[in-house]
Amino acid sequence: EAGVAQSPRYKIIEKRQSVAFWCNPISGHATLYWYQQILGQGPKLLIQFQNNGVVDDSQLPKDRFSAERLKGVDSTLKIQPAKLEDSAVYLCASSGTGDTQYFGPGTRLTVL
Amino acid sequence: GQSLEQPSEVTAVEGAIVQINCTYQTSGFYGLSWYQQHDGGAPTFLSYNALDGLEETGRFSSFLSRSDSYGYLLLQELQMKDSASYFCAVYSGNTPLVFGKGTRLSVIA
Repeated sequence: EAGVAQSPRYKIIEKRQSVAFWCNPISGHATLYWYQQILGQGPKLLIQFQNNGVVDDSQLPKDRFSAERLKGVDSTLKIQPAKLEDSAVYLCASSGTGDTQYFGPGTRLTVL
Repeated sequence: GQSLEQPSEVTAVEGAIVQINCTYQTSGFYGLSWYQQHDGGAPTFLSYNALDGLEETGRFSSFLSRSDSYGYLLLQELQMKDSASYFCAVYSGNTPLVFGKGTRLSVIA
């Protein structure tokens, strides 16, 4: 069974630029999550999708972050414009019928 | 709100046993999970406790006491490859999974 795929693995941009991350969850998993993990901290949920609907986006900075999950499969997370404090690893995870979440390798974003 | 407390760092000797504690404060609690994350890697699921008691999976065990809002991860027969960060995470009510800040385990020879 293929795991959660993410791309790119690394991204370096300058502040005020925009960036997008892509996630392909495990086949058949209805729930998809985007997390932000700052160095030395635990993952923080940004947004949770159930199929293509948003379940929770209470911690998503909506003035600059957006996410979509068209057709209930792949998802993209966008930051526009980026700030220095957005430097972090962005993790995508998916889950099926249970609560266990399976994480992708993450995208390490550096904002200069 | 929710909060989780776990030690920031633990060091243990190869072959020994180590216990990583986690205390939490949350409303509507219904489960505690543990995740392992190697440097540069993705978090991987280790265990889930919804009921009081000990759950054993190979060298790893996880314990939960709901009355004490406390759990721990027990790693036995430590190996060098167990050096990683370990996160406890709570499930509660309709809120999303909340992770602790993680415990960095260093296994030394």
